[in-house]
Amino acid sequence: AQSVSQHNHHVILSEAASLELGCNYSYGGTVNLFWYVQYPGQHLQLLLKYFSGDPLVKGIKGFEAEFIKSKFSFNLRKPSVQWSDTAEYFCAVNARVTGGGNKLTFGTGTQLKVEL
Amino acid sequence: DAGVTQSPTHLIKTRGQQVTLRCSPISGHKSVSWYQQVLGQGPQFIFQYYEKEERGRGNFPDRFSARQFPNYSSELNVNALLLGDSALYLCASTLTQGSGKLFFGSGTQLSVL
Repeated sequence: AQSVSQHNHHVILSEAASLELGCNYSYGGTVNLFWYVQYPGQHLQLLLKYFSGDPLVKGIKGFEAEFIKSKFSFNLRKPSVQWSDTAEYFCAVNARVTGGGNKLTFGTGTQLKVEL
Repeated sequence: DAGVTQSPTHLIKTRGQQVTLRCSPISGHKSVSWYQQVLGQGPQFIFQYYEKEERGRGNFPDRFSARQFPNYSSELNVNALLLGDSALYLCASTLTQGSGKLFFGSGTQLSVL
């Protein structure tokens, strides 16, 4: 069965600091990986995704993530965070399910707080 | 365009009762999925429906059921509520059943007393 581990549950950074959130997954099939973000008071939304090709993917708001197959990792990075990046970040892997559908398996999330 | 809409936003029930949650997908989206999010955890997959058929079911008891209507809206039903069913229930829609790019609603916060 697939699983996703996020190592940092709470992260506090000052503005302009660099960010790296860890994500490791376990899945035996073709990997589709995602980072979702939930800003305070808003719904969960897609930040970036990896399906195939270039292992370095870029998302919205200056975020990027690198897929390292040998390490089963998909870490999220941003060179310089802003106060508005305060949110909860979820890593997820897409998997086929019986019946032909798909499901996302999410990690437990990382709560990021950026201080001014 | 309207996003995914869910109703109600909050709900309080007592143990043993039944609840129905509703979801309207983004216009043109044919797939609806349901997730349960317990405080401090990531969302957990409950169901996926595509073209009105169940295409996937997560590790939830038979007390949980769902359906999708011809207009692609969906309902999630939970019978014989337990305290442990207290959670945020998220609906997400996608264009196709295979897409991992989900568009989430704001959820229904269910409290079971």
